[in-house]
Amino acid sequence: DAGVIQSPRHEVTEMGQEVTLRCKPISGHNSLFWYRQTMMRGLELLIYFNNNVPIDDSGMPEDRFSAKMPNASFSTLKIQPSEPRDSAVYFCASRQVTGTGDYTGELFFGEGSRLTVL
Amino acid sequence: AQSVAQPEDQVNVAEGNPLTVKCTYSVSGNPYLFWYVQYPNRGLQFLLKYITGDNLVKGSYGFEAEFNKSQTSFHLKKPSALVSDSALYFCAVRPLSGGYNKLIFGAGTRLAVHP
Repeated sequence: DAGVIQSPRHEVTEMGQEVTLRCKPISGHNSLFWYRQTMMRGLELLIYFNNNVPIDDSGMPEDRFSAKMPNASFSTLKIQPSEPRDSAVYFCASRQVTGTGDYTGELFFGEGSRLTVL
Repeated sequence: AQSVAQPEDQVNVAEGNPLTVKCTYSVSGNPYLFWYVQYPNRGLQFLLKYITGDNLVKGSYGFEAEFNKSQTSFHLKKPSALVSDSALYFCAVRPLSGGYNKLIFGAGTRLAVHP
């Protein structure tokens, strides 16, 4: 399997522009997570989906952030409008939650999307 | 609040020496605890987990971790460090309430192994 695939790997944009980050989870995984990593705040969970349904978006910093998962193989994280403080590495991760509700399985991370907002 | 703390920003070890990366947790009840590693410009990779049973858990790349309930700790250890172990290490906990399917990560500890 190719693993979790994120695009773009690097994005430089100007303040006020819309940014869309994309993620393709591992085939067969039914849970998907978006994390943000910065030096100041470490690794923060933004939102996660189970079976394409958003479960907990309490980590989404503001209304400027939105995430969708239209199907089991694709998710987007959108920032509109972007601000310099949004500069970070954004990680997507996925895992399979079994029918018995085992939530202890390994989380597989993508390589991350490094966003710089000027 | 349910959380993990990694008290050291950085740990320096000479190659061949044993290493310990510390983690303490704050979770009521029986915690589910994890260690992940991040190499430069890469995503996090799973190392090991404690769910129940033996307090000493063995994981990838020769790492192990010891769950200590009385000290609320889950320290990561390796008997003999390699230069290639240099990376950022994260301890994580799965909440027992308010979201069974998410992991809360610590701030991370940078391990530097010197030749």
